[in-house]
Amino acid sequence: GENVEQHPSTLSVQEGDSAVIKCTYSDSASNYFPWYKQELGKGPQLIIDIRSNVGEKKDQRIAVTLNKTAKHFSLHITETQPEDSAVYFCAAYKDTGRRALTFGSGTRLQVQP
Amino acid sequence: DAGITQSPRYKITETGRQVTLMCHQTWSHSYMFWYRQDLGHGLRLIYYSAAADITDKGEVPDGYVVSRSKTENFPLTLESATRSQTSVYFCASSRARDNYNEQFFGPGTRLTVL
Repeated sequence: GENVEQHPSTLSVQEGDSAVIKCTYSDSASNYFPWYKQELGKGPQLIIDIRSNVGEKKDQRIAVTLNKTAKHFSLHITETQPEDSAVYFCAAYKDTGRRALTFGSGTRLQVQP
Repeated sequence: DAGITQSPRYKITETGRQVTLMCHQTWSHSYMFWYRQDLGHGLRLIYYSAAADITDKGEVPDGYVVSRSKTENFPLTLESATRSQTSVYFCASSRARDNYNEQFFGPGTRLTVL
């Protein structure tokens, strides 16, 4: 089955700096890669996603890049703010009847004011 | 619009007891999922359901039972709880026609098995 590895497990940045979280996946048939943000005491919430036919996608301060050849994708957050502090999960999806996601192990991002 | 809810939010039980975690969604989404979240493992799929009366195992199904008699409800039962089932459990749902498979998560249930 699919295996998704995520790094780093923790990341601390100063407010205003950029943050990058990286993920690799094992199954070349995976074709959809979402990123979820989980705030303390809440369920994960989708913040951005990318399909396999696109190399980069941006939404204001966040962007995701995908390298299908290397089977890795990354989340980039620019001009970080304290409210960006949360746990971020990457995931990979392959179009099967299950429609389930395989998640990475998560990155705890702490933005220091 | 209530979305997706889980109950209880917190539960403490003892080894060997049966526990049922409830999940309810108001969107009429076809797909529903149960994940468990443990430190260092992210979210792992326990069971999923493609529609009412259709369920299947995920990555870590042992010790769990699910049912889906109605589209909006997807209860998860631990038939004989073990300490290793101490975890945070998340229910999620997804539209069948959604090619991008966005999943909407509930707030979670923190289960402690003593």
